[in-house]
Amino acid sequence: EVRLEESGGGLVRPGGSLRLSCAASGFTFDTYSMNWVRQAPGKGLEWVSSITSGSSFIYYADSVEGRFTISRDNAKNSLYLQMNSLRAEDTAVYYCARVRSRELDYWGQGTLVTVSP
Amino acid sequence: QSVLTQPPSASGTPGQRVTISCSGSSSNIGSNSVNWYQQFPGTAPKLLIYSNSQRPSGVPDRFSGSKSGTSASLAISGLQSEDEAEYFCAAWDDGLNGPGVFGEGTKLTVL
Repeated sequence: EVRLEESGGGLVRPGGSLRLSCAASGFTFDTYSMNWVRQAPGKGLEWVSSITSGSSFIYYADSVEGRFTISRDNAKNSLYLQMNSLRAEDTAVYYCARVRSRELDYWGQGTLVTVSP
Repeated sequence: QSVLTQPPSASGTPGQRVTISCSGSSSNIGSNSVNWYQQFPGTAPKLLIYSNSQRPSGVPDRFSGSKSGTSASLAISGLQSEDEAEYFCAAWDDGLNGPGVFGEGTKLTVL
């Protein structure tokens, strides 16, 4: 059974940092690209970042470019999102999701990040 | 502001057929396949339709997708109360610095 489990969310002050983790199981992690997608309270989905299976290609949404860093450790079946210089508008539930072809076929349950003074 | 445009809401009565539209441009829907996701309150999105019209295993055939030009549609036939959820379309966009764009979401209410 494919499982994705995010952790690391919490309350942080503006300008602060957080590192999100996503533990994957039930599939061959190092053969899939992975994405981070976020959803602000009461809002729609926003793609945040993507990383290919071997970390060769990395993409960021313009809204997080230069502040967030995606990475993965295939030996540990884990995906990460280092978030620096956090802003109020980064408040959201952050989901990790597996990329099959061009669709996100499995999602984690999400972890809430709240940026507030 | 989302790149893909969806109506904010849709509704229908049990047994009805409902469609949800998703409008994009030549750089996204016009040149890439469309996926649809279903999300219930407080839960993660779930893949509902991929590659315009394909259903993952376990998705009832009441759900169908189509694409024409720079627009796509999700149709739900034989509407059931458990279909009440939010629905998001998504597609790759060749003009953006990244692989994915989502629609704004459509809240479906079963009356």
